[in-house]
Amino acid sequence: GENVEQHPSTLSVQEGDSAVIKCTYSDSASNYFPWYKQELGKGPQLIIDIRSNVGEKKDQRIAVTLNKTAKHFSLHITETQPEDSAVYFCAASGGTYKYIFGTGTRLKVLA
Amino acid sequence: GAGVSQSPSNKVTEKGKDVELRCDPISGHTALYWYRQSLGQGLEFLIYFQGNSAPDKSGLPSDRFSAERTGGSVSTLTIQRTQQEDSAVYLCASSSTTGAGNTIYFGEGSWLTVV
Repeated sequence: GENVEQHPSTLSVQEGDSAVIKCTYSDSASNYFPWYKQELGKGPQLIIDIRSNVGEKKDQRIAVTLNKTAKHFSLHITETQPEDSAVYFCAASGGTYKYIFGTGTRLKVLA
Repeated sequence: GAGVSQSPSNKVTEKGKDVELRCDPISGHTALYWYRQSLGQGLEFLIYFQGNSAPDKSGLPSDRFSAERTGGSVSTLTIQRTQQEDSAVYLCASSSTTGAGNTIYFGEGSWLTVV
């Protein structure tokens, strides 16, 4: 069945460094790829998304890239700050209401 | 409301008791999802409602779990005869329409602990 693999499961970076989280999806019909940030004790919040007709999207310190041929998409956070510490989930959706979520990446930004 | 509202935010129940979890989606959103998140785990799809269509119940883990959505708005997830493995965060989400590319917005979750 469809699945989304997400790596790494945990990531520690020094404050100010960049963080990259990668996802790979299996369903070639997927055409929408959102990223969610989940802080401790809260629900996931959408931080950025990308559609299949775009290769890259940027919003301040956050960017997402998509390689449809390889079925990869990645989240890039630059100049990381302690408040970026959270669990990040990628997801893929294509043509239906079903969203397939990755297993999450716990990001720790060390001050 | 401004966002997806869930209640209770926390629930501790004894094994064998029934629990009801409530979700009030964003006003005007026709699609509603329930997900389960066990400690430190990902998001497990439970059930999907869209308007007056028959719900997709394919993710419900057992017949102890059921959900309904009355009037196309508020939804209730019911867990009967709770077990310790039911302990998790139950997340509700809604979106404006169905189909890919329609962002789903999550509530804060209902934290269920079965003792």
